[in-house]
Amino acid sequence: GAGVSQSPSNKVTEKGKDVELRCDPISGHTALYWYRQSLGQGLEFLIYFQGNSAPDKSGLPSDRFSAERTGGSVSTLTIQRTQQEDSAVYLCASSLSSGGYNEQFFGPGTRLTVL
Amino acid sequence: KQEVTQIPAALSVPEGENLVLNCSFTDSAIYNLQWFRQDPGKGLTSLLLIQSSQREQTSGRLNASLDKSSGRSTLYIAASQPGDSATYLCAVKPGNTGKLIFGQGTTLQVKP
Repeated sequence: GAGVSQSPSNKVTEKGKDVELRCDPISGHTALYWYRQSLGQGLEFLIYFQGNSAPDKSGLPSDRFSAERTGGSVSTLTIQRTQQEDSAVYLCASSLSSGGYNEQFFGPGTRLTVL
Repeated sequence: KQEVTQIPAALSVPEGENLVLNCSFTDSAIYNLQWFRQDPGKGLTSLLLIQSSQREQTSGRLNASLDKSSGRSTLYIAASQPGDSATYLCAVKPGNTGKLIFGQGTTLQVKP
């Protein structure tokens, strides 16, 4: 079956613009996660959803970052007024459920470059 | 605060060698530990997941062990091949909640 998909695969934007990144989880997976991977910081957790609720938003670096999930499926990560330090690869993952011993399966990522 | 460390950061071996990658974590109260592989410019591929109550998991040439009390996990790769060249990441799940906390990874190069 299809894995986790993300779009766009690459995004180049100018400082100060807003961007939206999309994630399509594996069908039937109720949990969805966003991570960020940058050279200096490694792979960092941002936020996760169980269904449409976000029990843990602790990794969002500032109030310029927000995410939503509707219909228990697709999620969108929005970054407002982008800064150069937002440049990174944004990875999405999904699992059957956020609880229990469920593996997380990752998408290919969106590479964001802020000029 | 849970921290995950992987040593070495990079490793180069000749084809056919057996090798061990190390992962350590500061808080032994983990729910599970997962090993991933990442190829350049790609996402993460899950290799093995070890539950907190387990000591090891095996898949083909890969064997992962877990010692919760000492805060360590190892990934053993037998008879390495050039196709094993990639970055290997370990991640712990600190509780019965969603997030994973990742190490910085070990970049492996297997030379033909």
